[in-house]
Amino acid sequence: NAGVTQTPKFQVLKTGQSMTLQCAQDMNHEYMSWYRQDPGMGLRLIHYSVGAGITDQGEVPNGYNVSRSTTEDFPLRLLSAAPSQTSVYFCATGTPGNTIYFGEGSWLTVV
Amino acid sequence: AQSVTQLGSHVSVSEGALVLLRCNYSSSVPPYLFWYVQYPNQGLQLLLKYTTGATLVKGINGFEAEFKKSETSFHLTKPSAHMSDAAEYFCAVRGNNAGNMLTFGGGTRLMVKP
Repeated sequence: NAGVTQTPKFQVLKTGQSMTLQCAQDMNHEYMSWYRQDPGMGLRLIHYSVGAGITDQGEVPNGYNVSRSTTEDFPLRLLSAAPSQTSVYFCATGTPGNTIYFGEGSWLTVV
Repeated sequence: AQSVTQLGSHVSVSEGALVLLRCNYSSSVPPYLFWYVQYPNQGLQLLLKYTTGATLVKGINGFEAEFKKSETSFHLTKPSAHMSDAAEYFCAVRGNNAGNMLTFGGGTRLMVKP
């Protein structure tokens, strides 16, 4: 998945801590998004952005914030981590009508 | 609103046997449909996609899928399974929101027995 970089790959948080998952792309894609993956539920959309300065909520936005100050970066912030946010997080990018590309994922455990 | 249903969270086949992974969708607009594959501890890789035109779509690694509008289905097949096909497979439909975001099915884990 060249072109979409997520950091960190693994993270353990304590309940109540905050953190930011980073996503960067070098493909000049307009669209960026964050999904979470949970067993048996596929991937669910958290937040997305159709361009710098524009963000919107997806299916499961509660507990997460995003911003899009540049085309390249789309960080996902967990404000006060909860065990229910233990999941695998994927950043994705794309252009209108075309294929969406996924990053390698970030494994987050909240204890 | 769009939704995707993948029948069977786990499918087991013998090496060399036919692979059939089922996907049904609902969409309020003409659908764009996708199959992604995920190997352990990795991201999602696009296998194939249907946008418009020919309803039989060929993808990578010998997989293909057929869009059947009357059945609202987009099943994934491969004539002969290989051990390296063991992975989780996700069917997805593209939404009609501003970002064309994907709605995913729950996934099907394919196991291949020697």
